[in-house]
Amino acid sequence: GQNIDQPTEMTATEGAIVQINCTYQTSGFNGLFWYQQHAGEAPTFLSYNVLDGLEEKGRFSSFLSRSKGYSYLLLKELQMKDSASYLCAVRVAGSARQLTFGSGTQLTVLP
Amino acid sequence: EAGVTQFPSHSVIEKGQTVTLRCDPISGHDNLYWYRRVMGKEIKFLLHFVKESKQDESGMPNNRFLAERTGGTYSTLKVQPAELEDSGVYFCASSLIGTGGSEQFFGPGTRLTVL
Repeated sequence: GQNIDQPTEMTATEGAIVQINCTYQTSGFNGLFWYQQHAGEAPTFLSYNVLDGLEEKGRFSSFLSRSKGYSYLLLKELQMKDSASYLCAVRVAGSARQLTFGSGTQLTVLP
Repeated sequence: EAGVTQFPSHSVIEKGQTVTLRCDPISGHDNLYWYRRVMGKEIKFLLHFVKESKQDESGMPNNRFLAERTGGTYSTLKVQPAELEDSGVYFCASSLIGTGGSEQFFGPGTRLTVL
């Protein structure tokens, strides 16, 4: 079976840095995605990792360790608009490219 | 360029009724996916189309759910008859064909409430 774990909630202060962790146990692996979802809106793509290492994109970075089944999303210089749910999703090898999602981490950025 | 659109945004129906959800993917995207998020749970895969063909429908809960994509453009997901446990948010996503790292673009979802 597939199992993806991430914290349910996190709180941070505007201007700070926050790291959202995701661990996964899947039968095969073909990439890990991070999505951001504001309440009532569509999940929007943030990052994709398929090889070990860090991918940086502006204020957001994502890290992957395939041997550890671990990823994190790093958000720097937090802004109020970053308050949202952050979804970790794994694409399992051999599947029809479908994504298996974690339950999401609700991030609240405080002033 | 227009994103993935879904209609309706909300639907409230009574148990036993029929509801049809529609998804219009991004133009040119051959892959189309349906997902569902039940209250308090994670987003779960329902099925995947490549053009008009069903590639994988392993996530469909039961035979009360019927998805179609005639002509390989928009897709519909019909629930007949609806049950209370069908309540949730139904997301549609699309992506390009044949690109390994291609992200899936999601629509805003249809919030279905079955009373």
